This record gives sequence, C-alpha cells and structure tokens, in this order.
Amino acid sequence: QQQVKQSPQSLIVQKGGISIINCAYENTAFDYFPWYQQFPGKGPALLIAIRPDVSEKKEGRFTISFNKSAKQFSLHIMDSQPGDSATYFCAASNGGTASKLTFGTGTRLQVTL
Amino acid sequence: GAGVSQSPSNKVTEKGKDVELRCDPISGHTALYWYRQSLGQGLEFLIYFQGNSAPDKSGLPSDRFSAERTGGSVSTLTIQRTQQEDSAVYLCASSRSSGSSYEQYFGPGTRLTVT
Repeated sequence: QQQVKQSPQSLIVQKGGISIINCAYENTAFDYFPWYQQFPGKGPALLIAIRPDVSEKKEGRFTISFNKSAKQFSLHIMDSQPGDSATYFCAASNGGTASKLTFGTGTRLQVTL
Repeated sequence: GAGVSQSPSNKVTEKGKDVELRCDPISGHTALYWYRQSLGQGLEFLIYFQGNSAPDKSGLPSDRFSAERTGGSVSTLTIQRTQQEDSAVYLCASSRSSGSSYEQYFGPGTRLTVT
C-alpha cells in the first residue's frame, strides 16, 4: 500500500526555470510533510517541511504548497540551478511520538544549462 | 559537529551469510531510525529506537532482521541468512528526540549486495 504517491518520476528543467514536484497522500492522520534532497552516494537531507495548518511555506528558492482538502502537496524550486540536480523525496508522518517517515518514490531532477 | 556515521559503507556478502550494519548517531540524539532504500521499494521504514527501546519494529520485513541499540547511542542492524532481495542501501537517521518536531538527520548509508 503506497501511502504517498509522487510524480513525476523524472524531470528535466532548464537553468532558471521552475521545477515542480507533486505528492498526494491517503492517510488523513499525517500532520507533517517534509521534502528531502538526496545526492548520489549521500543520505537524504531535509530541505523544507510544512504542517497542514498553513497552505504555503517558502524558504529561499524552495516553496511548499499544501492543499489539505485534496490531500496534496508540492515542491516548487524557483530559478532552478544545475546544483539542484538531485533526487527529491516527499514524505509524511503522523507526528505523535513515533514520527517514522513514509516516503514518496522520488523524483530525479536534472537542471540543464 | 559530526553527523550520523554508518559502517561499512559497502558490504558484499554471499547468500545465506549473516551481516551486521552499524550506525553511530549524532551525539545526544535519543531517537534513531533505520530505513531501507531499494530500487523496487523506494525508501522504507524498518525500525525506530527511543533510547535503547524499540517501540516500533513494524517495518522489519522478516524475522531474519533484528536491531539493537546500546547505551542510547550505537545501533546495529543484523540480517541473518541473507537473501538476494535484501540487497539495498540501509540508511540510519537520528533526531534529538522522537516526534515530528525534530528533524531526522540521515547517514550516508550502507550499500549491501547479496550475491
């Protein structure tokens, strides 16, 4: 049972463009939605995270948009740079004391010159 | 400061052998998580420790998998009688405490290949 669905699987964006990755979840108990960035040979690193009490969160070039009624959230990378080329994972957890992360399947982003 | 470290970085083993994977969390982090990353299954939760106890083992795929944590620090994930489907990258993460208020910091992983 895939509780977090992520699309697209891969994405090619020109330098300076906007990269958009989408995720949808099923479990309404989820209350924490982070995005992780992973470079080859490295572990995932937290990029930005949001809770369902807000509809948008922005940190630098990275923005999360959250739609609670649709059970969807997305990552926007503005002014995409070649250094942003990595695999991005959305995730969700239901807080409490466990907070184990349920991950999406990942999006491989390539930013071309 | 030092991040989460894992050893070995790579492990090749023959089918049927036992393997031990080690995780050193960030000093002072009380919560520790093991995840598995494979091509077919993506990133999956395996087990979670708070201190030395494991309140959630729900992600362990079979009884061949076990983990322990001693002294509230180092954790070892043991896979007995390895199978080819166990080939994956095993990731460890730690956080200051449990609960989603605390960021999980991941190590670089151990790439396990079962031949």
